[in-house]
Amino acid sequence: EAGVTQSPTHLIKTRGQQATLRCSPISGHTSVYWYQQALGLGLQFLLWYDEGEERNRGNFPPRFSGRQFPNYSSELNVNALELEDSALYLCASSHDRGVFDEQYFGPGTRLTVT
Amino acid sequence: RKEVEQDPGPFNVPEGATVAFNCTYSNSASQSFFWYRQDCRKEPKLLMSVYSSGNEDGRFTAQLNRASQYISLLIRDSKLSDSATYLCVVIPYNFNKFYFGSGTKLNVKP
Repeated sequence: EAGVTQSPTHLIKTRGQQATLRCSPISGHTSVYWYQQALGLGLQFLLWYDEGEERNRGNFPPRFSGRQFPNYSSELNVNALELEDSALYLCASSHDRGVFDEQYFGPGTRLTVT
Repeated sequence: RKEVEQDPGPFNVPEGATVAFNCTYSNSASQSFFWYRQDCRKEPKLLMSVYSSGNEDGRFTAQLNRASQYISLLIRDSKLSDSATYLCVVIPYNFNKFYFGSGTKLNVKP
């Protein structure tokens, strides 16, 4: 069974640009989660999508947005990039049975903003 | 105050040692708790769930103390391969957010 995949592996952007990160969940998983892991700060919850809808978002500004497609893959868009957006962005997927299921993480996209 | 707090470590222990980490949470209505393991430059992976009655999986024991609002992870007979960062996860009762701790780094030395 293929795991969670993310693309690209690395992304370098300049301040003010937009970044688009992509995630494909494990087959059969309907929930996709996005996290930001900045150095020394741990995983910060960004967004949760299930069945194409945004279920919840963390304490991030609106320039962090995303969507989930009918095939359950997901995109994270970060507009007006700032230097502090440089981080590892992790995507995870799970079944959504109304309780917290194990989240399976992808390898991440490392975003560098210069 | 952070929702979830962990001692960042590192905890440097010799092989065979017993080591324990705690993770404190601020929301008394927290419902579900987990420990994840993250190897250097790798993605986090679920280590174990934490049940109210405590649970054990081989050398690993997880416990929950609701009164003091913390969860713990005990590793017995440490192996070199246990070297990693251990992240606790706390889910509130209304299941609408996921709070990861910043992790505790463990180094097991030969």
